Amino acid sequence: DAKTTQPPSMDCAEGRAANLPCNHSTISGNEYVYWYRQIHSQGPQYIIHGLKNNETNEMASLIITEDRKSSTLILPHATLRDTAVYYCIVRGWGNTGKLIFGQGTTLQVKP
Amino acid sequence: DGGITQSPKYLFRKEGQNVTLSCEQNLNHDAMYWYRQDPGQGLRLIYYSQIVNDFQKGDIAEGYSVSREKKESFPLTVTSAQKNPTAFYLCASSIGVIGQGNTGELFFGEGSRLTVL
Repeated sequence: DAKTTQPPSMDCAEGRAANLPCNHSTISGNEYVYWYRQIHSQGPQYIIHGLKNNETNEMASLIITEDRKSSTLILPHATLRDTAVYYCIVRGWGNTGKLIFGQGTTLQVKP
Repeated sequence: DGGITQSPKYLFRKEGQNVTLSCEQNLNHDAMYWYRQDPGQGLRLIYYSQIVNDFQKGDIAEGYSVSREKKESFPLTVTSAQKNPTAFYLCASSIGVIGQGNTGELFFGEGSRLTVL
């Protein structure tokens, strides 16, 4: 599985969009990009995933660059409850092998 | 409701004792995983299993053992050989193939917090 690189921390003002970047320059053609978040002392929660096209759901939007080497998770209107650690991982179709989480990005939403 | 259940939520152990953490899922998932998390750190993979009766070491398997005798269950034993076992342990499961009417996401349990006294 490809490795990912994320900034260790970010701040965002409440009500503004939070844009969390992820670098996955060694991603291969059949690998999806997944985003999870972990609120303190809980299990991580799935947010969104994508392969090539941009994706949107009720929680967030995922923008994947054309070369697929990086992506951005967008929380359109961040709230205090979005304060969490956000993880970006990659996973191949049909691959349930060694799924590696990096250090993630700690997002602090401030009033 | 379908989900993944870890027990116990909190566990205290004396040095030199083995302890087993339970992980059960009723999601009919083939793959299961154990991660360890230390304060302020990310998740590190201990062991994973893609199918019953088979499992592989992750990045930090030393001092741990697992079994996968049933699809629903993937217990983790923290042995006395694990030098620094105090941590938050997370179990996860996943369906095998992405895209066939599913997201292929990992489902996590609520975690087990182990403290060695």
